[in-house]
Amino acid sequence: AQSVTQPDIHITVSEGASLELRCNYSYGATPYLFWYVQSPGQGLQLLLKYFSGDTLVQGIKGFEAEFKRSQSSFNLRKPSVHWSDAAEYFCAVGGNNNDMRFGAGTRLTVKP
Amino acid sequence: EPEVTQTPSHQVTQMGQEVILRCVPISNHLYFYWYRQILGQKVEFLVSFYNNEISEKSEIFDDQFSVERPDGSNFTLKIRSTKLEDSAMYFCASKRQGSSYNEQFFGPGTRLTVL
Repeated sequence: AQSVTQPDIHITVSEGASLELRCNYSYGATPYLFWYVQSPGQGLQLLLKYFSGDTLVQGIKGFEAEFKRSQSSFNLRKPSVHWSDAAEYFCAVGGNNNDMRFGAGTRLTVKP
Repeated sequence: EPEVTQTPSHQVTQMGQEVILRCVPISNHLYFYWYRQILGQKVEFLVSFYNNEISEKSEIFDDQFSVERPDGSNFTLKIRSTKLEDSAMYFCASKRQGSSYNEQFFGPGTRLTVL
C-alpha cells in the first residue's frame, strides 16, 4: 500500500536561511510525487510534482524537490526562505488513476 | 484558468443532521475525489468516483457517507447523520480522463462544523 512519511512535524528557520523538508514514500511501482502548501484556513496549493524524467523538479515560489529512488525520498528545498513561506507543507504520493496519500504535514515557522 | 469550486465555504450543522457538500469539478474532468482534513491533521482520502460509480473508498467512508453526480456539473458528498467527529475540512478534487498523470486539482474546501 502506498504511504508517505514526513518525519518533521514542525520546523523553524530564519528568514533568508535555506530549507529542506523531508519526505519518504512507500509505493510498489514508480510513484507520482507531489508537494502541496496550505496556509491557515486555506486550500491546497500545488508547489511541484514529479512524474518521470529529470529527478530534480522546479516548482513555484522558488521551491525545488529531488526524487531519489534509492532512498525513497522526495525532499523539498528552498535556498532562501521568505516570511511568507510560513505554512503547512504536505508531501503526497499517487499512482495512475489511484487516490493520493498524503503525509502528516510539516509546519514551517519563519523567524524574522 | 479552470478550477474546482466548492460550496459552501463553511457549513455549520447540528449533530444528527444531514449535510450535502457541493463541488463543481473542472468541466472536462471525469475522475472525482473527496478528501477530509480534521483540524491539525493530515489530508485523508475518502472516495473516488468515475463513470457514475464509486471506484475506491477508504475505511472512513462508511454508510453515513454517499456521493452523487446529480447532473453534468456537480459532484456532491452527503453525510446522512452528522457526528461531532465529522467536523473537518472537506476537499473535492478532479482529474482528466485519459491523463497518464495522476494530477488532481483541488478545490478550496468546505469547512464543516458539527455542533
